[in-house]
Amino acid sequence: EVQLVESGGGLVQPGGSLRLSCAASGFTFSSYWMSWVRQAPGKGLEWLANIKPDGSEKYYVDSVKGRFTISRDNAENSLHLQINSLRAEDTAVYFCARRVSSLKVFDHWGQGTLVTVSS
Amino acid sequence: QTVVTQEPSVSVSPGGTVTLTCGLSSGSVSTSYYPSWYQQTPGQAPRTLIYSTNTRSSGVPDRFSGSILGNKAALTITGAQTDDESDYYCVFYMGSGISMFGGGTKLTVL
Repeated sequence: EVQLVESGGGLVQPGGSLRLSCAASGFTFSSYWMSWVRQAPGKGLEWLANIKPDGSEKYYVDSVKGRFTISRDNAENSLHLQINSLRAEDTAVYFCARRVSSLKVFDHWGQGTLVTVSS
Repeated sequence: QTVVTQEPSVSVSPGGTVTLTCGLSSGSVSTSYYPSWYQQTPGQAPRTLIYSTNTRSSGVPDRFSGSILGNKAALTITGAQTDDESDYYCVFYMGSGISMFGGGTKLTVL
């Protein structure tokens, strides 16, 4: 069974940094693209970033380029999202998702981790 | 900047049929955008319903179907059930590794 478990969320002050993680199991992690998607309170889903299986290609939504960095550790079956210069508008639940590249679909999702940016 | 558009809210009677649509602020939708659809209830992770325009994800009931209608992608629920009351999101692949979600449709079954 595919499982994705996010961690690393919490309360952080504006301007701070946070590293989110997603532990993957139940599939060959190194064979799949992975993604991060977020959802601000009461708002819709927003795609943030994709990363290729070997980590050689990364893509971001324009609004987070330069502040967010997606990475992966295939030896540890883990996905990460480094978020710098946090702003109030980054307050959201952050989901990791497995992406099937050939079908352009997010086919499995984690339960999400909440990031709250507040002083 | 292109925006993916969805109806903010739609209602359907139990047992009825409803179609949710997903368009582009500029241009027409085609299968080349690989439309996919996700269902989400409050506090839960999204659930994948449809991908590649019209392929149902594993375990999704056949009352859910996807298509291209005119210049939009569409999700049709035939024989709506009260359990279908959820938020529905579409996603387009915009090329160059970029995906884009629509704003979501809140479906009410009453």
